[in-house]
This record gives sequence, C-alpha cells and structure tokens, in this order.
Amino acid sequence: DQQVKQNSPSLSVQEGRISILNCDYTNSMFDYFLWYKKYPAEGPTFLISISSIKDKNEDGRFTVFLNKSAKHLSLHIVPSQPGDSAVYFCAASDHTDKLIFGTGTRLQVFP
Amino acid sequence: NAGVTQTPKFQVLKTGQSMTLQCAQDMNHNSMYWYRQDPGMGLRLIYYSASEGTTDKGEVPNGYNVSRLNKREFSLRLESAAPSQTSVYFCASRPRRGTGGGEAFFGQGTRLTVV
Repeated sequence: DQQVKQNSPSLSVQEGRISILNCDYTNSMFDYFLWYKKYPAEGPTFLISISSIKDKNEDGRFTVFLNKSAKHLSLHIVPSQPGDSAVYFCAASDHTDKLIFGTGTRLQVFP
Repeated sequence: NAGVTQTPKFQVLKTGQSMTLQCAQDMNHNSMYWYRQDPGMGLRLIYYSASEGTTDKGEVPNGYNVSRLNKREFSLRLESAAPSQTSVYFCASRPRRGTGGGEAFFGQGTRLTVV
C-alpha cells in the first residue's frame, strides 16, 4: 500500500507561470515532509521541507504548503523556469526516521 | 567532501549470482537508506538504518539483506539476483532527528541489470 502518493505523473507549465505539484499521504504518524528534484542519471537533490507543526514554508521561488487534516501537501514554484524541468518527489518521515517517497511528477516548463 | 559514495556505478549480473552494493558517507550522519527506482514506481525504500547497529525493513525488502558495518558504511546484498531486481539503486544518509536539517543526501546511484 502506497503511503505517499503523487497522483499526477506529469505536469506541463509555461515559463513564468506557477507550477503546483501535489502529494497525499495516508500515515498520520508522518511528521516531517520533504520535496526533492531529480534529473536523469543523477541522485535526487533536496529542495525544501516542512515540519508538521507548520503549514507553510518558503524558500525563494519554492513554497511548500501542508494541510494535515487533509493529509495533503503541495509545492508551488513561482515563477517557473525551464531549468525547473525535472522529476519532483515528495517524501515523508516519521519518528523512526523511516523516509518514504512518492512516485514522482515529471514537470516540464516550456518557453 | 565526497558526501555519499556508491560503488559500483554499473553492474550486470546473471540470474542467481550474488553481489554487494557498497555505500559510504562522510557527513557523520546517523541514518542511512537504500532505495530502488523503477519507471512509474518512484523511489521505494528497501531497508534503512536509523543508527549504527540497527536495521529495519522498508517497503520492498524481499530478496535483499543489509549490513550497517559502522557509522559510515551501509551495504546492500543480493544473495541470488533475479531479473525483477533490475533497477537503479540509491543510497542516502541523513542526520539524526532534531540535530538540524532533516534532509537526506543521496549518492549518484548504481544501475544494476540482471540477465
């Protein structure tokens, strides 16, 4: 059973517009959430994270929103740039340090 | 500062052969992880180790064994490789919870093909 789900396999956005990537989780014990970006033939790289005690965290063009009651988080990228084209993974962690990833969303930013 | 180093980068095995994937980190992190990435399946956790001397199963542990040799090293062993284990394997490490950060750092991956 997939504990972390990204239901959109792909997303296409025009340069300069907002990209919104979504993630749902089922395990209420998750208390720390992360977003990663991955290019082909490379390991994932960290983007931004949020603790369950917060509902928003911002870092430059990237903002993560957490809705605990809905078990939902989202990543907003504003403005989107062609270099943002990659696969984005959300991940969730619990008190045991287990770190579970979603299936990924491929973002394409076109001119 | 090398971060997380995985060896080998590429490997081809015949069905039934065994091999060990090596992972080492130089960031003094407590937790280490092994994942596999398959098309459409994302990154699936195989095993993790929250501290030296402990290991726990992840989402897809069958067919694998792990060893946390010391704080730096976490190896993944395939005792009898099967074509279903063809995948890209990633190792990651992460500092202890509450010590700041919380992000996991990944190696460059090992591309394994079982024929």
